[in-house]
Amino acid sequence: SQQGEEDPQALSIQEGENATMNCSYKTSINNLQWYRQNSGRGLVHLILIRSNEREKHSGRLRVTLDTSKKSSSLLITASRAADTASYFCATDAGGGGADGLTFGKGTHLIIQP
Amino acid sequence: DTGVSQDPRHKITKRGQNVTFRCDPISEHNRLYWYRQTLGQGPEFLTYFQNEAQLEKSRLLSDRFSAERPKGSFSTLEIQRTEQGDSAMYLCASSLGTRGYGEQFFGPGTRLTVL
Repeated sequence: SQQGEEDPQALSIQEGENATMNCSYKTSINNLQWYRQNSGRGLVHLILIRSNEREKHSGRLRVTLDTSKKSSSLLITASRAADTASYFCATDAGGGGADGLTFGKGTHLIIQP
Repeated sequence: DTGVSQDPRHKITKRGQNVTFRCDPISEHNRLYWYRQTLGQGPEFLTYFQNEAQLEKSRLLSDRFSAERPKGSFSTLEIQRTEQGDSAMYLCASSLGTRGYGEQFFGPGTRLTVL
């Protein structure tokens, strides 16, 4: 089963604009991760935020986590054509359980030049 | 290139045949994971190993699927009596760690088509 659910399913913006994607999940988590997938480089880890953290930055990426609302957001600032990809949130429910790392269906981001 | 590698990259088979995929993780990583991804969906966890021990198996993993990691290095995933519903991308990932699921490094995947 897929715990995470990204919103929107698809997003198209102009190069240079900011892109925001949201993720909602159902159960308590140990951490939440964001991954990017494109045909050229496969699935790549972007950032991990632990359940006791509220915000994390990495370069042009900013991730927030609200455990009370069971939601996270990924902000990409000053978007580039190379950011065109599908973005997935993935949750670790903790304890190394049989659900493993559970991914959402993803947000497909298109950056228009 | 010291990333995760998978072989073959593509496999076309007829329904009822057996197929085997191989994954070579990053050498110092003690954990190895298998996922399945279908079009328009995110990866779905199948199973993972810590060294040579298979610690977890998803409820998605039917008896036709078996995975091994005999010496704690490479891993194989075998699907017996393939069905059309097995058509998917099979992804392997590896990581360091002993608790929970941290950052994972993914291979390019094996795309399986069952005719």
